[in-house]
Amino acid sequence: QQQVKQSPQSLIVQKGGISIINCAYENTAFDYFPWYQQFPGKGPALLIAIRPDVSEKKEGRFTISFNKSAKQFSLHIMDSQPGDSATYFCAVSYTGTYKYIFGTGTRLKVLA
Amino acid sequence: EAEVAQSPRYKITEKSQAVAFWCDPISGRATLYWYRQILGQGPELLVRFQDESVVDDSQLPKDRFSAERLKGVDSTLKIQPAELGDSAMYLCATADSGANVLTFGAGSRLTVL
Repeated sequence: QQQVKQSPQSLIVQKGGISIINCAYENTAFDYFPWYQQFPGKGPALLIAIRPDVSEKKEGRFTISFNKSAKQFSLHIMDSQPGDSATYFCAVSYTGTYKYIFGTGTRLKVLA
Repeated sequence: EAEVAQSPRYKITEKSQAVAFWCDPISGRATLYWYRQILGQGPELLVRFQDESVVDDSQLPKDRFSAERLKGVDSTLKIQPAELGDSAMYLCATADSGANVLTFGAGSRLTVL
């Protein structure tokens, strides 16, 4: 069963633009929502994460927006740069269970 | 910064052959994962260890896949016999106790011909 739906599958943004990637989940028991960034030939690396007690978290140019009632969360990349070109995965998890479920990924390309 | 070491980085094999992947996790990390990432998809859990014990192998195709973590440190994932559909990136990861953060290795890319 697909517990995490991620969109879009791919995204092309001009340098300086805003990149937005969305994820929707089904199970309200999830309580940890990370985003991972993966460059070609590398493993995924944690970018930013949020818990459901807040609606937004910002770290530099990266922001997670979280809508608990809609069971959706999104990644916003402000002032997108060519170095941001990578594949981004959302994930959901239950604290303490060490269980993670990943989305299908969004391939971002930022044009110079 | 400590990393999760994986080898080999690339492996090409013919179907029906045996393959093995090795992972050396961050020192002291009790939880170790093996994920499979098919091209264009997200990582999917194969097996999770807590120390040397398997705590979740519900998605591991046990007829051909096996995993072990002797002494609760490094780990080996084996496939025998390999099938064409096993072509994927095999990722090892560890979890920081209580922090929910997964740290992945660079992965082992398998191509089955």
